[in-house]
Amino acid sequence: GENVEQHPSTLSVQEGDSAVIKCTYSDSASNYFPWYKQELGKRPQLIIDIRSNVGEKKDQRIAVTLNKTAKHFSLHITETQPEDSAVYFCAASLQIKTIFGAGTRLFVKA
Amino acid sequence: SQTIHQWPATLVQPVGSPLSLECTVEGTSNPNLYWYRQAAGRGLQLLFYSVGIGQISSEVPQNLSASRPQDRQFILSSKKLLLSDSGFYLCAWSGRGGLSYGYTFGSGTRLTVV
Repeated sequence: GENVEQHPSTLSVQEGDSAVIKCTYSDSASNYFPWYKQELGKRPQLIIDIRSNVGEKKDQRIAVTLNKTAKHFSLHITETQPEDSAVYFCAASLQIKTIFGAGTRLFVKA
Repeated sequence: SQTIHQWPATLVQPVGSPLSLECTVEGTSNPNLYWYRQAAGRGLQLLFYSVGIGQISSEVPQNLSASRPQDRQFILSSKKLLLSDSGFYLCAWSGRGGLSYGYTFGSGTRLTVV
């Protein structure tokens, strides 16, 4: 079955700097890659996603890139703000099932 | 608009007691439904998913079970809870079709087994 590895597990950046979270997946048939943000004690919320026929997608300060050949995908957050502090999960989906990475705890220091 | 309701929000149960968590979705038909568990400080583990009434797929062998008695209702149950069942349980739904879709999660149930 699908396996998703996520790195780093913890990331600390200064406000205004960029943050990058990287994931790899094992099943080359996976075709949808969502990213979720989970604030402390709350539910995960979808923040951006990318399909396998696209290499890059951007939404304001966040962007995702996908390298299908290497089975890598990444989340980039620019101009980080304290409210970006949360746990971020990458995931890989094939039709019905979504498998999540273990999460990255991002701290943005003011 | 679509909404997902999950209850209770918090639950403290003794070892060996039964469990029933309920999730309902409004504003959509034929959703895919999911139960995930999140241990403290950990990732999201897929427990069950369902593509229709009475259709349940299990991902992890354990003492939990799931049922879908109605199109927009998903129930997670156990006959006898273990200490290791403690965690944050999240119900989610997604649209159905040829493509995969992102999830909308319920607000979660924090279960502590004592």
